[in-house]
Amino acid sequence: SQTIHQWPATLVQPVGSPLSLECTVEGTSNPNLYWYRQAAGRGLQLLFYSVGIGQISSEVPQNLSASRPQDRQFILSSKKLLLSDSGFYLCAWSPRDRGIQPQHFGDGTRLSIL
Amino acid sequence: AQSVSQHNHHVILSEAASLELGCNYSYGGTVNLFWYVQYPGQHLQLLLKYFSGDPLVKGIKGFEAEFIKSKFSFNLRKPSVQWSDTAEYFCAVNHNNAGNMLTFGGGTRLMVKP
Repeated sequence: SQTIHQWPATLVQPVGSPLSLECTVEGTSNPNLYWYRQAAGRGLQLLFYSVGIGQISSEVPQNLSASRPQDRQFILSSKKLLLSDSGFYLCAWSPRDRGIQPQHFGDGTRLSIL
Repeated sequence: AQSVSQHNHHVILSEAASLELGCNYSYGGTVNLFWYVQYPGQHLQLLLKYFSGDPLVKGIKGFEAEFIKSKFSFNLRKPSVQWSDTAEYFCAVNHNNAGNMLTFGGGTRLMVKP
């Protein structure tokens, strides 16, 4: 069966520090991968999605970037964190090339910027 | 731009009460619709989905949703809620394009009083 792992679960970082959140998927190949930010009362905002290694699309301009160095690895990064980057970040995957499919979510990372 | 609206941000019900959570979307083309649930401390899980066919969709745990194309709606219902249904519920709509992307509503927090 397929599983998705995100780490760390919780992170506290000072303003101006770098960020690296990691997401990996097991039990499938060539998945679509997604990064979302969840804010209270605002649902899930899609930040990045990827349909293959090295292929990243950004949905909103921001202080963050994403990379996909391997087929089942998706990394969310920042060179210098801002206070506004605080939030709950979710990684998700869906099967590729099988039409419309539900997305499957990781447990999330709660990021607090001090 | 495609948008999804969940007008009820917080709902409080007593056990055995009936539930209906509203979801409206703005996209005029072909849509694929989802309801996700996030129980306290858990990851987002798929509750039910609509792709085509019978507009009344049955999901897990006694939930159902009805797709009404003329009203651009996909409301979630349950005849009799339980305390264990306390969670946050998200409606999502698919862009039928590359990447299988979803647009989420702002979520509805449901609290069921025992």
